[in-house]
Amino acid sequence: DAKTTQPTSMDCAEGRAANLPCNHSTISGNEYVYWYRQIHSQGPQYIIHGLKNNETNEMASLIITEDRKSSTLILPHATLRDTAVYYCIVRATGAGGTSYGKLTFGQGTILTVHP
Amino acid sequence: DGGITQSPKYLFRKEGQNVTLSCEQNLNHDAMYWYRQDPGQGLRLIYYSQIVNDFQKGDIAEGYSVSREKKESFPLTVTSAQKNPTAFYLCATDRNTEAFFGQGTRLTVV
Repeated sequence: DAKTTQPTSMDCAEGRAANLPCNHSTISGNEYVYWYRQIHSQGPQYIIHGLKNNETNEMASLIITEDRKSSTLILPHATLRDTAVYYCIVRATGAGGTSYGKLTFGQGTILTVHP
Repeated sequence: DGGITQSPKYLFRKEGQNVTLSCEQNLNHDAMYWYRQDPGQGLRLIYYSQIVNDFQKGDIAEGYSVSREKKESFPLTVTSAQKNPTAFYLCATDRNTEAFFGQGTRLTVV
């Protein structure tokens, strides 16, 4: 699995958009980009994933560059409850969308949302 | 409720003793994982299993052992060979691109 690089920490004002970057310059053609977040002392929570097109769901948007070497997770209107560690992961996916291979986490970005 | 159950939530162990952490899932997922998390650190992969009766070492398998006799269960044993066992342990499953995590077991060696 390709490695990812994320900033150690970021701040965001409540109500503003939080833009979390991730570099994955060695990503392979069959590797998806996933984002998870972990609130203190809980298990990580899935947020969103994508291959090459931008994706949006009720939690966030994922913007992947055309060369797929980097991506940005966007929380459009951050709240205090979005304060967490955010992990960017790249991982291969097989036929029918089934994931395979080990799921490896990096250090993540500590996002602090302040009033 | 469908999900992953880790037990116990808190566990204390005397130095030199083996201890087994439980992870049960009713999601019918094939793949299961064990991670370790130390304060202020990310998740590190201990062991993973993609099918019953098969498992592979992760990045920090030394001092740990696992079994996968049933699809629903993936217990982790922390042996006395693990030099720094105090940590937060997370179990996960995944299928079809999304991973699901248990709520973790906090192990403290006293």
